[in-house]
Amino acid sequence: AQSVTQLDSQVPVFEEAPVELRCNYSSSVSVYLFWYVQYPNQGLQLLLKYLSGSTLVKGINGFEAEFNKSQTSFHLRKPSVHISDTAEYFCAVLQTGANNLFFGTGTRLTVIP
Amino acid sequence: DVKVTQSSRYLVKRTGEKVFLECVQDMDHENMFWYRQDPGLGLRLIYFSYDVKMKEKGDIPEGYSVSREKKERFSLILESASTNQTSMYLCASSDTGNRGNTIYFGEGSWLTVV
Repeated sequence: AQSVTQLDSQVPVFEEAPVELRCNYSSSVSVYLFWYVQYPNQGLQLLLKYLSGSTLVKGINGFEAEFNKSQTSFHLRKPSVHISDTAEYFCAVLQTGANNLFFGTGTRLTVIP
Repeated sequence: DVKVTQSSRYLVKRTGEKVFLECVQDMDHENMFWYRQDPGLGLRLIYFSYDVKMKEKGDIPEGYSVSREKKERFSLILESASTNQTSMYLCASSDTGNRGNTIYFGEGSWLTVV
């Protein structure tokens, strides 16, 4: 069985401040890890993904995430947020050998001017 | 760029009506998916298909069926819509294999059942 936990349902942060969105997962097999972003009234767009290799993954729009196998975490970070980063962020896992993603419940990031 | 197109962005249907949600992808992907998105629940998989005429149930298939007659098209069917099926529906597609291929999403279809 697998599960994905996004610990914070809402994260308000001031513009230009750093942000971290937390994600923990559990799985009995190895996984690939993803972060998607959903802007209002739109579908999901891939931010970044971890498949193998370096545990620090850089994505679009200045985001990065670090895979920590011992803590089964894949937290998303950005050193300085913009108003345009206001969106919902989803962490997801894909078990190796599987085809479909399993999603967390999402974190709504609100950037305050 | 991969394009996943959902034909209807907003629909309002009456309880008991049959509803079709259509999805087309232009990247020759083998896999196609239908997810349902609800506040506080994230995305939940309804059905997916890994080839033409092939389908597998996801986590919440009850009340839904799917059809994949052509590789590029994947339809979600609500045989008799109910108010608890009011939701955002997201179609997605991906290439086959277990290499961590990116799943690409459409823009979503907002369905309201009254």
